[in-house]
Amino acid sequence: GDSVTQMEGPVTLSEEAFLTINCTYTATGYPSLFWYVQYPGEGLQLLLKATKADDKGSNKGFEATYRKETTSFHLEKGSVQVSDSAVYFCALTPYGSSASKIIFGSGTRLSIRP
Amino acid sequence: GAVVSQHPSWVICKSGTSVKIECRSLDFQATTMFWYRQFPKQSLMLMATSNEGSKATYEQGVEKDKFLINHASLTLSTLTVTSAHPEDSSFYICSAVGGRRYGETQYFGPGTRLLVL
Repeated sequence: GDSVTQMEGPVTLSEEAFLTINCTYTATGYPSLFWYVQYPGEGLQLLLKATKADDKGSNKGFEATYRKETTSFHLEKGSVQVSDSAVYFCALTPYGSSASKIIFGSGTRLSIRP
Repeated sequence: GAVVSQHPSWVICKSGTSVKIECRSLDFQATTMFWYRQFPKQSLMLMATSNEGSKATYEQGVEKDKFLINHASLTLSTLTVTSAHPEDSSFYICSAVGGRRYGETQYFGPGTRLLVL
Protein backbone atom coordinates (compact mmCIF):
# COMPACT_ATOMS: atom_id res chain seq x y z
CA GLY A 1 0.00 0.00 0.00
CA ASP A 2 0.89 3.66 -0.10
CA SER A 3 3.36 4.83 2.54
CA VAL A 4 5.67 7.64 3.59
CA THR A 5 9.09 7.26 5.20
CA GLN A 6 10.91 10.17 6.78
CA MET A 7 14.11 10.52 8.72
CA GLU A 8 13.91 9.82 12.42
CA GLY A 9 14.49 12.58 14.87
CA PRO A 10 15.15 14.36 16.92
CA VAL A 11 17.16 16.75 14.81
CA THR A 12 19.00 19.45 16.74
CA LEU A 13 20.61 22.38 14.94
CA SER A 14 22.03 25.75 15.78
CA GLU A 15 20.25 28.88 14.65
CA GLU A 16 21.02 29.85 11.03
CA ALA A 17 22.10 26.32 10.14
CA PHE A 18 20.93 24.62 6.93
CA LEU A 19 18.11 22.11 7.36
CA THR A 20 17.25 18.99 5.40
CA ILE A 21 14.62 16.48 6.47
CA ASN A 22 14.47 13.52 4.11
CA CYS A 23 11.18 12.04 2.95
CA THR A 24 10.48 9.26 0.48
CA TYR A 25 7.18 7.77 -0.54
CA THR A 26 5.59 4.74 -2.11
CA ALA A 27 2.41 5.22 -4.05
CA THR A 28 0.53 3.97 -7.05
CA GLY A 29 -0.91 6.57 -9.32
CA TYR A 30 -0.21 10.28 -8.95
CA PRO A 31 -0.23 11.38 -5.32
CA SER A 32 -0.03 14.91 -4.01
CA LEU A 33 2.73 15.49 -1.46
CA PHE A 34 2.69 17.64 1.67
CA TRP A 35 4.70 18.83 4.60
CA TYR A 36 2.77 19.56 7.80
CA VAL A 37 4.17 21.21 10.91
CA GLN A 38 2.97 20.85 14.48
CA TYR A 39 4.08 23.52 16.93
CA PRO A 40 3.91 22.68 20.65
CA GLY A 41 0.32 22.60 21.87
CA GLU A 42 -1.16 23.30 18.44
CA GLY A 43 -2.79 21.32 15.67
CA LEU A 44 -1.06 20.27 12.47
CA GLN A 45 -0.71 23.05 9.95
CA LEU A 46 -0.08 22.69 6.25
CA LEU A 47 3.41 24.04 5.55
CA LEU A 48 3.68 23.42 1.82
CA LYS A 49 2.51 21.10 -0.91
CA ALA A 50 3.21 19.91 -4.44
CA THR A 51 0.69 18.24 -6.68
CA LYS A 52 2.77 16.92 -9.60
CA ALA A 53 6.28 15.90 -10.52
CA ASP A 54 8.92 18.64 -10.50
CA ASP A 55 6.62 21.04 -8.62
CA LYS A 56 8.33 22.96 -5.84
CA GLY A 57 6.32 23.86 -2.77
CA SER A 58 7.56 26.75 -0.64
CA ASN A 59 6.47 28.68 2.43
CA LYS A 60 8.17 30.58 5.28
CA GLY A 61 11.59 29.90 3.76
CA PHE A 62 10.99 26.15 3.54
CA GLU A 63 11.11 24.36 0.20
CA ALA A 64 10.48 20.85 -1.11
CA THR A 65 10.54 19.52 -4.67
CA TYR A 66 8.40 16.63 -5.88
CA ARG A 67 10.91 14.17 -7.39
CA LYS A 68 9.10 11.34 -9.11
CA GLU A 69 12.30 9.64 -10.30
CA THR A 70 13.57 9.26 -6.74
CA THR A 71 10.11 9.22 -5.10
CA SER A 72 11.29 11.90 -2.71
CA PHE A 73 10.04 15.17 -1.23
CA HIS A 74 12.85 16.41 1.01
CA LEU A 75 12.24 19.49 3.14
CA GLU A 76 14.94 22.18 3.16
CA LYS A 77 15.52 25.57 4.70
CA GLY A 78 18.63 27.66 4.25
CA SER A 79 18.74 29.30 7.68
CA VAL A 80 16.64 27.98 10.53
CA GLN A 81 15.35 30.01 13.45
CA VAL A 82 14.46 29.06 17.02
CA SER A 83 10.79 29.56 16.09
CA ASP A 84 11.09 26.68 13.60
CA SER A 85 11.31 24.21 16.47
CA ALA A 86 8.39 21.83 15.93
CA VAL A 87 7.48 18.39 14.64
CA TYR A 88 7.41 18.05 10.85
CA PHE A 89 5.32 15.45 9.04
CA CYS A 90 5.72 14.41 5.43
CA ALA A 91 2.46 13.17 3.92
CA LEU A 92 0.66 12.20 0.74
CA THR A 93 -2.85 11.87 -0.53
CA PRO A 94 -3.33 9.04 -3.00
CA TYR A 95 -6.13 10.81 -4.80
CA GLY A 96 -4.53 14.19 -5.27
CA SER A 97 -6.77 16.28 -3.03
CA SER A 98 -5.95 17.19 0.57
CA ALA A 99 -9.67 16.90 1.24
CA SER A 100 -9.28 13.12 1.06
CA LYS A 101 -7.42 10.51 3.08
CA ILE A 102 -3.91 11.56 4.13
CA ILE A 103 -1.08 9.11 4.76
CA PHE A 104 1.53 10.50 7.15
CA GLY A 105 5.14 9.77 7.87
CA SER A 106 6.19 9.22 11.47
CA GLY A 107 7.22 12.83 12.04
CA THR A 108 10.60 14.44 12.74
CA ARG A 109 11.11 16.57 15.81
CA LEU A 110 13.30 19.60 15.13
CA SER A 111 14.95 21.60 17.89
CA ILE A 112 16.88 24.78 17.15
CA ARG A 113 19.43 26.11 19.64
CA PRO A 114 19.84 29.89 19.96
CA GLY B 1 -7.88 31.08 8.91
CA ALA B 2 -10.01 28.02 9.58
CA VAL B 3 -9.90 26.80 13.17
CA VAL B 4 -10.73 23.36 14.49
CA SER B 5 -11.08 22.72 18.20
CA GLN B 6 -11.16 19.53 20.23
CA HIS B 7 -12.53 18.93 23.67
CA PRO B 8 -11.25 17.80 26.01
CA SER B 9 -7.56 18.32 25.38
CA TRP B 10 -6.72 15.47 27.70
CA VAL B 11 -8.68 12.92 29.69
CA ILE B 12 -7.88 10.21 32.20
CA CYS B 13 -10.47 7.50 32.77
CA LYS B 14 -10.86 4.12 34.40
CA SER B 15 -10.87 0.95 32.36
CA GLY B 16 -14.37 0.00 31.25
CA THR B 17 -15.75 3.52 31.03
CA SER B 18 -16.68 5.39 27.85
CA VAL B 19 -15.11 8.63 26.75
CA LYS B 20 -16.49 11.16 24.28
CA ILE B 21 -14.24 13.50 22.30
CA GLU B 22 -15.67 16.47 20.42
CA CYS B 23 -14.32 18.01 17.24
CA ARG B 24 -15.68 21.37 16.14
CA SER B 25 -15.05 23.56 13.14
CA LEU B 26 -15.31 27.03 14.64
CA ASP B 27 -15.70 29.34 11.67
CA PHE B 28 -16.65 27.11 8.77
CA GLN B 29 -18.93 24.24 7.90
CA ALA B 30 -17.40 20.86 7.24
CA THR B 31 -19.30 18.11 5.49
CA THR B 32 -16.34 15.81 6.03
CA MET B 33 -14.25 15.27 9.14
CA PHE B 34 -11.53 12.72 9.74
CA TRP B 35 -10.40 11.01 12.94
CA TYR B 36 -6.76 9.99 13.38
CA ARG B 37 -4.88 8.18 16.10
CA GLN B 38 -1.24 8.71 16.95
CA PHE B 39 0.92 6.43 19.05
CA PRO B 40 4.13 7.78 20.60
CA LYS B 41 6.85 8.35 18.02
CA GLN B 42 4.61 6.99 15.28
CA SER B 43 2.68 8.54 12.47
CA LEU B 44 -0.96 9.55 12.48
CA MET B 45 -3.16 6.67 11.39
CA LEU B 46 -6.54 7.37 9.85
CA MET B 47 -9.30 5.70 11.84
CA ALA B 48 -12.41 6.82 10.03
CA THR B 49 -14.00 9.34 7.71
CA SER B 50 -17.04 11.12 9.09
CA ASN B 51 -19.62 12.61 6.75
CA GLU B 52 -22.42 14.81 8.04
CA GLY B 53 -25.73 13.00 8.09
CA SER B 54 -24.41 9.56 7.20
CA LYS B 55 -22.57 6.67 8.76
CA ALA B 56 -18.83 6.94 9.19
CA THR B 57 -16.48 4.94 7.00
CA TYR B 58 -13.93 3.04 9.06
CA GLU B 59 -10.45 2.01 8.00
CA GLN B 60 -9.55 -1.64 7.95
CA GLY B 61 -8.80 -2.95 11.43
CA VAL B 62 -10.70 -0.23 13.29
CA GLU B 63 -13.60 -1.55 15.36
CA LYS B 64 -16.68 0.50 14.58
CA ASP B 65 -18.47 -0.71 17.71
CA LYS B 66 -15.50 0.34 19.79
CA PHE B 67 -15.02 3.77 18.28
CA LEU B 68 -18.43 5.33 17.69
CA ILE B 69 -18.47 8.36 15.43
CA ASN B 70 -21.37 10.77 15.13
CA HIS B 71 -21.34 13.71 12.72
CA ALA B 72 -24.67 15.27 13.63
CA SER B 73 -24.06 18.75 12.29
CA LEU B 74 -21.83 20.59 9.84
CA THR B 75 -19.64 21.87 12.66
CA LEU B 76 -19.48 18.97 15.09
CA SER B 77 -18.25 15.40 15.02
CA THR B 78 -17.84 13.22 18.10
CA LEU B 79 -15.72 10.15 18.74
CA THR B 80 -16.80 7.92 21.61
CA VAL B 81 -14.37 5.30 22.85
CA THR B 82 -16.62 2.68 24.41
CA SER B 83 -15.53 0.45 27.28
CA ALA B 84 -12.06 1.91 27.13
CA HIS B 85 -9.04 -0.21 28.00
CA PRO B 86 -5.40 0.72 28.58
CA GLU B 87 -4.51 -0.21 25.00
CA ASP B 88 -6.86 2.56 23.83
CA SER B 89 -4.58 5.13 25.44
CA SER B 90 -3.38 7.33 22.64
CA PHE B 91 -3.46 10.78 21.05
CA TYR B 92 -6.61 11.33 18.98
CA ILE B 93 -6.65 14.04 16.33
CA CYS B 94 -9.51 15.21 14.17
CA SER B 95 -9.53 17.24 11.00
CA ALA B 96 -12.25 19.06 9.12
CA VAL B 97 -12.40 19.81 5.43
CA GLY B 98 -13.03 23.42 4.54
CA GLY B 99 -15.03 24.31 1.48
CA ARG B 100 -13.92 26.22 -1.60
CA ARG B 101 -13.25 29.36 0.43
CA TYR B 102 -10.66 27.38 2.39
CA GLY B 103 -9.17 25.58 -0.58
CA GLU B 104 -10.91 22.30 0.25
CA THR B 105 -8.08 21.56 2.65
CA GLN B 106 -8.03 19.56 5.86
CA TYR B 107 -7.64 21.65 9.02
CA PHE B 108 -6.49 19.83 12.10
CA GLY B 109 -7.51 20.09 15.71
CA PRO B 110 -4.90 20.23 18.50
CA GLY B 111 -5.58 16.66 19.57
CA THR B 112 -6.93 14.88 22.65
CA ARG B 113 -4.68 12.76 24.82
CA LEU B 114 -6.49 9.80 26.37
CA LEU B 115 -5.04 7.79 29.24
CA VAL B 116 -6.96 4.73 30.37
CA LEU B 117 -5.97 3.37 33.76
